[in-house]
Parts: sequence; C-alpha cells; structure tokens
Amino acid sequence: DQQVKQNSPSLSVQEGRISILNCDYTNSMFDYFLWYKKYPAEGPTFLISISSIKDKNEDGRFTVFLNKSAKHLSLHIVPSQPGDSAVYFCAASWGPDKLIFGTGTRLQVFP
Amino acid sequence: DTAVSQTPKYLVTQMGNDKSIKCEQNLGHDTMYWYKQDSKKFLKIMFSYNNKELIINETVPNRFSPKSPDKAHLNLHINSLELGDSAVYFCASSHLSGGSTDTQYFGPGTRLTVL
Repeated sequence: DQQVKQNSPSLSVQEGRISILNCDYTNSMFDYFLWYKKYPAEGPTFLISISSIKDKNEDGRFTVFLNKSAKHLSLHIVPSQPGDSAVYFCAASWGPDKLIFGTGTRLQVFP
Repeated sequence: DTAVSQTPKYLVTQMGNDKSIKCEQNLGHDTMYWYKQDSKKFLKIMFSYNNKELIINETVPNRFSPKSPDKAHLNLHINSLELGDSAVYFCASSHLSGGSTDTQYFGPGTRLTVL
C-alpha cells in the first residue's frame, strides 16, 4: 500500500518556465511533508518542507503548496534552471523520524 | 568534508554470502537510518537508531542486522544474501529523535548487486 504517490515519473520543462511536481497521499495522519532532490549517484538532499498547519511555504525559487482536503501537495520551481534537473522525491511523516517516500519524478530542464 | 559517508559505494556478491555496509556521519547527529531503494524506486525505511538504540525496525528479514558501535556509525550487516536484496541502500542521519520535522541528511548510497 503506497501512501505517498508521485504519479508522473518524468517531467520536461524549458529553462525559465515553471516546473510543477505533484504528490498525493492517502494517510490523513501525515502532518509534515518534505521534498528531496536527488542527483545521479548521490543521496537525496533536503529541499523544502511544509507543516500541515500551513498551505504554502516558499524558499527562493521553490514553493510548496499543500491542499489537505485533496491530500495533495505540489512543488513549484520558477524559473526552472538546467541545474534543477534531478529526481524529486516527495516524503511525508506523522510520527518520530519515519519518512514515507514517493517514487520520485525525474525533472529535466532543457535550454 | 563528507557529512554522511557510506562504504562501499558498489558491492557485487554471490547469493548466500554475508556482507556489511558501513555508514558514518560527522554531523554530530543523534539519529541514523537505513533506507532501501528497490528497482521500482521505492525508498523505504528499514531501521532507525538513536544514540545507539534501535528506534524503528520495519518489517525486514532478520538476515538484516544493523549495528551501531557509537552514535556516529550505523552499519548494516546482511546474512545469506538473496537476489531480492539487490538494491541501493541509503544511510541517513538527523539531529534529533522524536521529531518528524527533522531534516535527514543522506549518504551517497551503496548499490548492492546479488548474483
């Protein structure tokens, strides 16, 4: 049973445009959500997070939106840059330390 | 300086062998984890240790045994390796335990291939 889903395995966006990565979850107990970015042959690195008491969190070019009623969150990257090309993992948690990850979306930003 | 390091980076071995993957973090974190990323790209937690004590132990075969000699190290020993154990294993650490808001820092991963 996959509690965190990223239904788009890949996304291709032109440089300068907005990238929108989506994530859905099924467990209403989740109270904290994170996005991780992963380059090939490296471990995931933390990107941005949001608590369930908020619906938006922004950090530079990255904004995460949370829609609790729809059990949906999204990561917006604007403007997209070639260096953003990576796999993005959505993760959720509700208890101490335990993160549940999605399967990732591969973002490719082309010139 | 590498924050979370794992050795080896690649491990190819025969079925039935016993192997270990080592993990070290120099961040001063109290909690360390092992994750498995399988062929379907699922990244699943296996174990979590806080100050050398087991906190999370997900449903993994008892052929997998984590060992934490000190809070900076969490090694993963696997007995009687099976084909299905082939995956990328990631070690991670975080500052605190008991807080789901803690950022986890990941190692580069160890790609294990069982032949």
